[in-house]
Amino acid sequence: DIVMTQSPDSLAVSLGETVTINCRSSQNILLSSNNVNYLAWYQQKPGLPPKLLIYWASTRQSGVPDRFSGSGSGTNFTLTISSLQAEDVAVYYCQQFYTSYTFGQGTKLEI
Amino acid sequence: EAQLVQSGAEVKKAGEPLKISCWGSGYKFAKSWIAWVRQTPGTGLQWLGLVYPVDSDIKYSPSFRGHITISVDRANSSAYLQWTSLQASDSGIYYCARLQSAARLPSGMDLWGQGTTVTVSS
Repeated sequence: DIVMTQSPDSLAVSLGETVTINCRSSQNILLSSNNVNYLAWYQQKPGLPPKLLIYWASTRQSGVPDRFSGSGSGTNFTLTISSLQAEDVAVYYCQQFYTSYTFGQGTKLEI
Repeated sequence: EAQLVQSGAEVKKAGEPLKISCWGSGYKFAKSWIAWVRQTPGTGLQWLGLVYPVDSDIKYSPSFRGHITISVDRANSSAYLQWTSLQASDSGIYYCARLQSAARLPSGMDLWGQGTTVTVSS
């Protein structure tokens, strides 16, 4: 199985700041034939299911604010939240879907 | 509005059978894979398997194959997850989720059910 490792596990944040969450895969998840990284980012708030934010490492899902951005390729990826808003406090997960589906352990943002 | 609606919370004893459901509406249910995902405090989010309503093609995670059964009823736009004999370790929140496809490529899970909490006592 491809193991996804996120860092940090938790992060104390302030409103308005820029936040960076990292995700590393144990194997390459870039398909060279189409140059697509099979990586997604999700946001989960208490009592709710995960919400898709980013797919293919950097493509924002429809309706997701542009303060959310994704970058990286191969095995190292980053989710960046600019100008953090109160409603962004949540747990964030990365997920690979190159071979089956595995999730990172999550990064909890706290004010 | 597209949505996935899951059956309600279940409290069971170890050894009992269980079948939970996921009903899709507001979109062409048959045209998208449906995944089942479990969430527990100890193991986080884990993928259990997938089903494609058009032809009932099913793929299982090796970690769960043999312990769960996934099925689909295309006519009723519903997917199911079942156990013949629950274990205490099966306790958790179970989500169904739609696999999104963009430009005919997989692109994450874009629509999720509200979750079904399963509690299994030993």
